Amino acid sequence: AQSVSQHNHHVILSEAASLELGCNYSYGGTVNLFWYVQYPGQHLQLLLKYFSGDPLVKGIKGFEAEFIKSKFSFNLRKPSVQWSDTAEYFCAVIENNAGNMLTFGGGTRLMVKP
Amino acid sequence: ETGVTQSPTHLIKTRGQQVTLRCSSQSGHNTVSWYQQALGQGPQFIFQYYREEENGRGNFPPRFSGLQFPNYSSELNVNALELDDSALYLCASSSGQGGVSGYTFGSGTRLTVV
Repeated sequence: AQSVSQHNHHVILSEAASLELGCNYSYGGTVNLFWYVQYPGQHLQLLLKYFSGDPLVKGIKGFEAEFIKSKFSFNLRKPSVQWSDTAEYFCAVIENNAGNMLTFGGGTRLMVKP
Repeated sequence: ETGVTQSPTHLIKTRGQQVTLRCSSQSGHNTVSWYQQALGQGPQFIFQYYREEENGRGNFPPRFSGLQFPNYSSELNVNALELDDSALYLCASSSGQGGVSGYTFGSGTRLTVV
């Protein structure tokens, strides 16, 4: 069965620091990749998605992610974080030939200190 | 456009009871998926409904069942509740089966089984 791994469970950064959250998946076929964010007390929101084409994907709020097929990775980055980025971040994958379900990683809780 | 709405927001049930959770999909969306998010974990796929039929199911026992109505709203039913069913239950809607356009999530129903 496919799995999604997020390497860091908790990350603490100061404002203006750069962010990179790791995500690896286990499936070797064609996948669609997503990053979702869950702000405290709010619902999951889509940050960005990759289906095909340019492996560097830009999302909302200055986030971007790079798909590296050879490494089965889809890491999330932001050059300079803000206090308002404090949230939990989830990487998710859909296998193109295995139905429609999103397989989520365990999440990374980010705290940005002002 | 309206988002995904779920009811109730919180619920407390006793072990062995049955529960029904409700979801109204985003306007224009005809596919509804349900996810279970245990504390500290990523969401896990329960099942998906498209055109009132189940068209994908995760690793959940048959006591988890669902319905989709002609207006694309949906219900999740759980029979014979167990303590481990305590979780946040998320509903997500999308246009089409594959979620290519992305899934919109509701804020969830927090179920506590005592």
